[in-house]
Amino acid sequence: GIQVEQSPPDLILQEGANSTLRCNFSDSVNNLQWFHQNPWGQLINLFYIPSGTKQNGRLSATTVATERYSLLYISSSQTTDSGVYFCAVGGGANSKLTFGKGITLSVRP
Amino acid sequence: NAGVMQNPRHLVRRRGQEARLRCSPMKGHSHVYWYRQLPEEGLKFMVYLQKENIIDESGMPKERFSAEFPKEGPSILRIQQVVRGDSAAYFCASSPPGLETQYFGPGTRLLVL
Repeated sequence: GIQVEQSPPDLILQEGANSTLRCNFSDSVNNLQWFHQNPWGQLINLFYIPSGTKQNGRLSATTVATERYSLLYISSSQTTDSGVYFCAVGGGANSKLTFGKGITLSVRP
Repeated sequence: NAGVMQNPRHLVRRRGQEARLRCSPMKGHSHVYWYRQLPEEGLKFMVYLQKENIIDESGMPKERFSAEFPKEGPSILRIQQVVRGDSAAYFCASSPPGLETQYFGPGTRLLVL
């Protein structure tokens, strides 16, 4: 099956810093989603981005499908950005998602 | 438009009991997915259902686990004779027909004593 690797596994930032989170995947995908799992365990949809670039406030994401990677950018980080960021990929409409192991982000005041 | 709903949010069972987890998809969504998150791990796909049909159950353990999505009512994930290794967070997601984005519920945290 498809493999998903995320890096770095852990990231510690000072409030206000910027960061880039990476997701590599091993095969062509039709679905790529980024999620934030907050300290309470809730999974929050950040982006649906199988290709191209999107922005939502301080967050943006870029997927280069031909090179099989996606990047999540967090600018001016806040303590509420802390948690685990997951990348998940799928092969087509209504197909299962394969998740990476996640990136644990800690933003310190 | 309410999001994906799951209940209970927390469930405690003793070894050997049954656990029933319920998931109501978003309005208009006819596709339901179940995922399991073991402690300190990512989410793993379990099963994908449409109304009255199991489409893909490649991630389901062979024994004790079953899922259904009846014509009326929520999707149910049933775990019989629970063991401590079943302790995990179980997430349900839904999507509308033909669209890829999956929306996740808040999860059910199952603890087996």
